[in-house]
Amino acid sequence: DAKTTQPNSMESNEEEPVHLPCNHSTISGTDYIHWYRQLPSQGPEYVIHGLTSNVNNRMASLAIAEDRKSSTLILHRATLRDAAVYYCILTPGNQFYFGTGTSLTVIP
Amino acid sequence: EAQVTQNPRYLITVTGKKLTVTCSQNMNHEYMSWYRQDPGLGLRQIYYSMNVEVTDKGDVPEGYKVSRKEKRNFPLILESPSPNQTSLYFCASSSPRAEQFFGPGTRLTVL
Repeated sequence: DAKTTQPNSMESNEEEPVHLPCNHSTISGTDYIHWYRQLPSQGPEYVIHGLTSNVNNRMASLAIAEDRKSSTLILHRATLRDAAVYYCILTPGNQFYFGTGTSLTVIP
Repeated sequence: EAQVTQNPRYLITVTGKKLTVTCSQNMNHEYMSWYRQDPGLGLRQIYYSMNVEVTDKGDVPEGYKVSRKEKRNFPLILESPSPNQTSLYFCASSSPRAEQFFGPGTRLTVL
């Protein structure tokens, strides 16, 4: 399995940045790193993905370590709507291994 | 509207009674996939398909079948459901290596 390790839960204050870590020490050279999130009672939704370089989009930034064995999802200003479970996923080939994710609580 | 649809959304059935959960997407995506979600175990991939007539096993394929006869449809078949297949099921589609779009989920209970 392409395994990732994430903290079970994290808290953040509203309007502050959030750094969600992920370890993936067994990553291989062709594995992409994806982040999805799942809001309560909904299906997962895409956040961001990358291979080697840091990536930015309108939702978040993805910082990938130089050795690619860890990555960090950065939400620049957490809102109450960002409260969700965040999954860090490796994709060896065409398979997706979601794991159990990090439950993010945003405190008003 | 671009979307992935699943039917039914809720299903209660009995052990051994064959059932099919349908999944359809209108985005012309090549890649489609099925997941199950269980408390404490996160999402686990059951089967995926790279294109018509091409399917592969995911992490937990036992007890499930799939088919991909048309690009837009990817039904999940449980030929003899058992209580341990009680779960929340999600279908997803995407272009290769791109973001996956997920359906709303099907909550299945097998008695």
